[in-house]
Amino acid sequence: KQEVTQIPAALSVPEGENLVLNCSFTDSAIYNLQWFRQDPGKGLTSLLLIQSSQREQTSGRLNASLDKSSGRSTLYIAASQPGDSATYLCAVRFSGGYNKLIFGAGTRLAVHP
Amino acid sequence: NAGVTQTPKFQVLKTGQSMTLQCAQDMNHEYMSWYRQDPGMGLRLIHYSVGAGITDQGEVPNGYNVSRSTTEDFPLRLLSAAPSQTSVYFCASSSFLAGEGSGANVLTFGAGSRLTVL
Repeated sequence: KQEVTQIPAALSVPEGENLVLNCSFTDSAIYNLQWFRQDPGKGLTSLLLIQSSQREQTSGRLNASLDKSSGRSTLYIAASQPGDSATYLCAVRFSGGYNKLIFGAGTRLAVHP
Repeated sequence: NAGVTQTPKFQVLKTGQSMTLQCAQDMNHEYMSWYRQDPGMGLRLIHYSVGAGITDQGEVPNGYNVSRSTTEDFPLRLLSAAPSQTSVYFCASSSFLAGEGSGANVLTFGAGSRLTVL
């Protein structure tokens, strides 16, 4: 079964810390992997998309890496800010399934001043 | 630039009632999908469509029907609501791609519809 797992489920850090969120998936045959942000009571906003042929993507203070062979992706957030507090979700588009994204349960991040 | 619009935002139903969650997008996206989000379980795919007249089941399709008569609209129907269908429902769309290699594959989500079944 194709599954996506995110660890940790929750994380609380002081402002300014660099942090890493982890995502693992069970099948290395993927088209791409996306990281989303979800604020409480809101929809999802796409942060980064990494294609199967890529190793990483960067946007501002965010850097996402992909290691297909080990079935892992990490989202690195540099110099965290209170405004980064949200739930971060990883979603994998496995090969052969149109645009069927399989989501992890998310990591709930709290950055305190 | 409305993006993906979902209605209603909130709904309370009694067991056995029926209702339709509406989803509309104005980006001419071929692909549309419905997810449900439950605490601690992430988002699970209910149904999806790769174009008008074409729909298919996702991970948790039981109890839900969909149709796609136009490119813009993808309603989700609950024929006989059950308490287990209490959840937050999200509609998402994107340009359809059969393979990898394009940034247009990014999903755009609606703001969600919170449904409570008593």
